[in-house]
Amino acid sequence: QKEVEQDPGPLSVPEGAIVSLNCTYSNSAFQYFMWYRQYSRKGPELLMYTYSSGNKEDGRFTAQVDKSSKYISLFIRDSQPSDSATYLCAMSSGSSNTGKLIFGQGTTLQVKP
Amino acid sequence: GAVVSQHPSRVICKSGTSVKIECRSLDFQATTMFWYRQFPKQSLMLMATSNEGSKATYEQGVEKDKFLINHASLTLSTLTVTSAHPEDSSFYICSAIRASVTDTQYFGPGTRLTVL
Repeated sequence: QKEVEQDPGPLSVPEGAIVSLNCTYSNSAFQYFMWYRQYSRKGPELLMYTYSSGNKEDGRFTAQVDKSSKYISLFIRDSQPSDSATYLCAMSSGSSNTGKLIFGQGTTLQVKP
Repeated sequence: GAVVSQHPSRVICKSGTSVKIECRSLDFQATTMFWYRQFPKQSLMLMATSNEGSKATYEQGVEKDKFLINHASLTLSTLTVTSAHPEDSSFYICSAIRASVTDTQYFGPGTRLTVL
């Protein structure tokens, strides 16, 4: 069993839709939870990070962490074609979010105009 | 700020040759850099952690004699793939952490290696 599970998709939605991306994990030691966006043949770009459980909002993006269920989500409101990319969840244990990151497989999102 | 570059962006080499990939933090000092490998439609897998002035720490299953890492300065780490084989073809990505600032890892744009 992988430490972090993420449905690879692809996920196709119409422009303006609300997108829900999810990851599950097995290691209860994870404390930091991150979402990265990766465009084709580019390096990952940090979108959101959350420490422990709870919600965090940044513009059209909302990250949720439910440690009791070992489940994290990223919601994208009013999705745009420019949001089309692969979204990777990542997690870290230890004392900061700069430690070793364990990544999910990534979900490919396509937002159609 | 917090820009990480990689060079080259793409490299094609013959089997048996060695290839060096550079990772630079352009506007900050990085005490720690990480090297990842990403196969098509798969996740990023950490290969090694590189600390300035000391030996790299390799993940289980990564051959340290094949993937040589040097972190000689606070802005540069290099990964050398020695005696490359077609199965080493992959997307290699580095990341860096800013010295004295605990925020997150900043990723480079990646290097596509193709071994013929």
